[in-house]
Amino acid sequence: NAGVTQTPKFRVLKTGQSMTLLCAQDMNHEYMYWYRQDPGMGLRLIHYSVGEGTTAKGEVPDGYNVSRLKKQNFLLGLESAAPSQTSVYFCASSYEGRSYEQYFGPGTRLTVT
Amino acid sequence: AQKVTQAQTEISVVEKEDVTLDCVYETRDTTYYLFWYKQPPSGELVFLIRRNSFDEQNEISGRYSWNFQKSTSSFNFTITASQVVDSAVYFCALGKTSYDKVIFGPGTSLSVIP
Repeated sequence: NAGVTQTPKFRVLKTGQSMTLLCAQDMNHEYMYWYRQDPGMGLRLIHYSVGEGTTAKGEVPDGYNVSRLKKQNFLLGLESAAPSQTSVYFCASSYEGRSYEQYFGPGTRLTVT
Repeated sequence: AQKVTQAQTEISVVEKEDVTLDCVYETRDTTYYLFWYKQPPSGELVFLIRRNSFDEQNEISGRYSWNFQKSTSSFNFTITASQVVDSAVYFCALGKTSYDKVIFGPGTSLSVIP
């Protein structure tokens, strides 16, 4: 099993450009999450999904959109990138939301210039 | 309000020393879950332990031990005889029954010096 994979691993964008980060999991997990990690701020939840076809906002959803068309995939979109979105993005999945451990992808380092 | 506090931003210890990482949480729920994750320099986050609020027994796994005290809302993590490979950022997290998600603390960066 690959676990949780993220594509791409690194990306540099110019302000105003758009991109989509792809997260895939092969563990048949219902729940999937997108976090951003910034120095000194830990992990902050952007959006999450409790099942195929569902999404919900986390702590810092502004400037991001997500889609979960297939159970195994969770996409994070930036429509118009801003320098404030420079961060490391982690995707995670879990069997259930609040009581089960999360499995994380390797992260995507995004720089917006 | 729900919150996870890890007051120690950075800790440095010399190899073989014991070290305790503090975690204090806030919740009004009677049922909740606590987690610790490790993020080594390579960047990936690795699950270490999960406890539910009804189980206050301390847990030991090799050199790792966890002390859960509901009376002080703390879930502290101790590494005995630390090793260089323990150098990482450690996150404490809280899962509440009223949410579908988990709240992470800001993390404690541990450096073990040879």
